[in-house]
Amino acid sequence: SAVISQKPSRDICQRGTSLTIQCQVDSQVTMMFWYRQQPGQSLTLIATANQGSEATYESGFVIDKFPISRPNLTFSTLTVSNMSPEDSSIYLCSVTGLAGEYDTQYFGPGTRLTVL
Amino acid sequence: LAKTTQPISMDSYEGQEVNITCSHNNIATNDYITWYQQFPSQGPRFIIQGYKTKVTNEVASLFIPADRKSSTLSLPRVSLSDTAVYYCLLTSGTYKYIFGTGTRLKVLA
Repeated sequence: SAVISQKPSRDICQRGTSLTIQCQVDSQVTMMFWYRQQPGQSLTLIATANQGSEATYESGFVIDKFPISRPNLTFSTLTVSNMSPEDSSIYLCSVTGLAGEYDTQYFGPGTRLTVL
Repeated sequence: LAKTTQPISMDSYEGQEVNITCSHNNIATNDYITWYQQFPSQGPRFIIQGYKTKVTNEVASLFIPADRKSSTLSLPRVSLSDTAVYYCLLTSGTYKYIFGTGTRLKVLA
């Protein structure tokens, strides 16, 4: 398995501002992902964070709103830009590609974002 | 990607066996069936994964019939701490996870 940490664990932000969320893994992984979970809802994939290249975004999510970086095999950031109250959600990173494990994703604890 | 259908919620009592069934009529040949558990304010946690027949680990069992159009997660002797949301997913090595609504399991004393 992998140990995943996210910073910050929670934040309260004003509309129009931006927040960068960090995801750190304790071992090198093949793939990293970012999800959003709105209150009481299921998880929705935002994008795949590609190491050394631009992230791959899912339908409904764009780079200008959710810029993602992945400078190496253990770290990624997600920025929520120009926030509005509708962006209030839990943001989770996940990883996969650990040796010997087929298609198993491990999730971080999440970042709870409230936008006022 | 093929979708899964699960009951929205279930209640059970401590010590009982809980079976959560997931329907996936359009499962593809290369799809695996994977279950996750999520507690409030935490990320989902991998429980079990299988392709066919039966898989058992220290936490749960997964039963998959021959046609693979459904699967059943079995939790033996649940306790209050098993109260969580359980997600059934089809995963095919593309790493693109589609989460359905999940099943909210409430274990009662």
